[in-house]
Amino acid sequence: DVKVTQSSRYLVKRTGEKVFLECVQDMDHENMFWYRQDPGLGLRLIYFSYDVKMKEKGDIPEGYSVSREKKERFSLILESASTNQTSMYLCASNGLRGLLYNEQFFGPGTRLTVL
Amino acid sequence: KNEVEQSPQNLTAQEGEFITINCSYSVGISALHWLQQHPGGGIVSLFMLSSGKKKHGRLIATINIQEKHSSLHITASHPRDSAVYICAVSGNQFYFGTGTSLTVIP
Repeated sequence: DVKVTQSSRYLVKRTGEKVFLECVQDMDHENMFWYRQDPGLGLRLIYFSYDVKMKEKGDIPEGYSVSREKKERFSLILESASTNQTSMYLCASNGLRGLLYNEQFFGPGTRLTVL
Repeated sequence: KNEVEQSPQNLTAQEGEFITINCSYSVGISALHWLQQHPGGGIVSLFMLSSGKKKHGRLIATINIQEKHSSLHITASHPRDSAVYICAVSGNQFYFGTGTSLTVIP
């Protein structure tokens, strides 16, 4: 079975802190994604990566950056957390380069609260 | 603008009832996905389909490409089916609906 894990289920941070959310997948997938999920808005794509050291902006990249130094690991970074970044963050991955938007496998999510 | 619309937003059913959740989309797609999210967050993929109908246990998903519409049916619903069901479409990118929150009462 594909397994996508995220470093924390719940996280509480203060405004202005630098926050790291880590995602690891064990199926050698090329593509990895970071989403945030807010009530009434559904999932929105923050960034995705189709290869090591490659990244592409999604729909809402402002205030975020990402890092993919190894194929299995994709990190989301909030350089200076703000209260409007309080949300559920979901990582996903899929395989088959060239079929970027094939079925995705999701991690359990990190509920981040910024005070 | 919402590329994917789901209805209803919320649904409460008695155990054993037949349930239908609808999804309409406005973009060209290569596939439509039905996802399930239980309380706590994790999302699992139920179906990926590009035509016709798929069945898995008590769940049935259909798609009408011409009408840009899909339905997810649950037969003989059970309290463990309580979850948020999300419709998503994939083409040039992924678009997600806002989900249907289903509660099945014993």
